[in-house]
Amino acid sequence: EVQLLDSGGDLVQPGGSLRLSCAASGFTFSNYAMSWVRQTPGKGLKWVSTYGTRDDTYYADSVRGRFTVSRDNSKNTLYLQMNSLSTEDTAVYFCARASPPETSSYFDYWGQGTLVTVSS
Amino acid sequence: EIVLTQSPATLSLSPGERATLSCRASQSVFYSLAWYQQKPGQAPRLLIYGTSNRATGTPARFSGSGSGTDFTLTINSLEPEDFAVYYCQQRDDWQWTFGQGTKVEIK
Repeated sequence: EVQLLDSGGDLVQPGGSLRLSCAASGFTFSNYAMSWVRQTPGKGLKWVSTYGTRDDTYYADSVRGRFTVSRDNSKNTLYLQMNSLSTEDTAVYFCARASPPETSSYFDYWGQGTLVTVSS
Repeated sequence: EIVLTQSPATLSLSPGERATLSCRASQSVFYSLAWYQQKPGQAPRLLIYGTSNRATGTPARFSGSGSGTDFTLTINSLEPEDFAVYYCQQRDDWQWTFGQGTKVEIK
């Protein structure tokens, strides 16, 4: 059974940093691109970042230069390092598996989400 | 960036009725379209991928159609558990975008 377990969300002050983790199980982690998607409370879904299977990384314009996505295939874990956080980054962050491996065009499994609150 | 516009924002229907949700793209979608269902406090759940393919566990009353820039999710005979928010999503040039969502609520 595919499972994604998000963690690391917390209350942080503006300008602060935080690292999110997503522990994966039930599939060959290295074969899939993995992504982060966020959702502001009461709002819609916004793609944040993707780490591909060839050490390729992609970011939304709103986080490029502040967020860094990484993965450790030996630990089946995806990370999101978030720096220079602002109140606009307050959201629930979901990790998601991008499928199929050939095109990564949709997200077939999602973590439960972890809440990041940026506030003074 | 391809912008996805969903309509209507809210759909008020009774159980047993048919729901028709629209998703329009600002330019032609290359990798086809996916649809997700989200209930309060839960992660999104993949319903439809490749425009018209039901994901594992998606009931047959859900169907997707469309091409190019215009896509539709149809829910035949709404069940009580279908009242939720639905999002469309596409991938283009290593950017993924979602529509703003359509809420299907009980009338």
